[in-house]
Amino acid sequence: QQQVKQSPQSLIVQKGGISIINCAYENTAFDYFPWYQQFPGKGPALLIAIRPDVSEKKEGRFTISFNKSAKQFSLHIMDSQPGDSATYFCAASMVGSNYKLTFGKGTLLTVNP
Amino acid sequence: KAGVTQTPRYLIKTRGQQVTLSCSPISGHRSVSWYQQTPGQGLQFLFEYFSETQRNKGNFPGRFSGRQFSNSRSEMNVSTLELGDSALYLCASSPEGRGVYEQYFGPGTRLTVT
Repeated sequence: QQQVKQSPQSLIVQKGGISIINCAYENTAFDYFPWYQQFPGKGPALLIAIRPDVSEKKEGRFTISFNKSAKQFSLHIMDSQPGDSATYFCAASMVGSNYKLTFGKGTLLTVNP
Repeated sequence: KAGVTQTPRYLIKTRGQQVTLSCSPISGHRSVSWYQQTPGQGLQFLFEYFSETQRNKGNFPGRFSGRQFSNSRSEMNVSTLELGDSALYLCASSPEGRGVYEQYFGPGTRLTVT
């Protein structure tokens, strides 16, 4: 059972454009939703995270939008740059289980110059 | 501070063999988690160790095991390797009490089973 569904699988965006990656979850016990960025040959690195008590969180060019009723959250990358080309993973963690992340399957983002 | 280090970075094994992977957490971090990353299944939680004790385990067969030493370094072992065990094995460390809210991943060990 895939508890966090991520789309699209791959995304190509022009430099300066907006990249949007979506995730949907099933388990309402999830209470922490991070996004990770992974470059080739590296481990995932935390990019930005949100709790369900807020609908949006912005850090620089990266914004998470969260819709609790729809059980969906998304990552928006404004003014996308070639250096943003990486694989992005959404994830979720459950109340009382802050040792474990449940990941989406990832989105390969390519930003063309 | 140095990041999470994993050794070896690449490994090729034959089906039926066993393998041991090593992880050194960030200095001062006592929690170490292991994940398996494959193209088909993405990242899946294997287990988590704290103070030499396995606190939590994911849904993997008993062929996957681990341990943690008194210096917080951790090893994971996979016995009787299968082709499907080919994956990137990631280790992550966290400061005490922070769990997933502050989790730092290593670069991984790429295991290929032939």
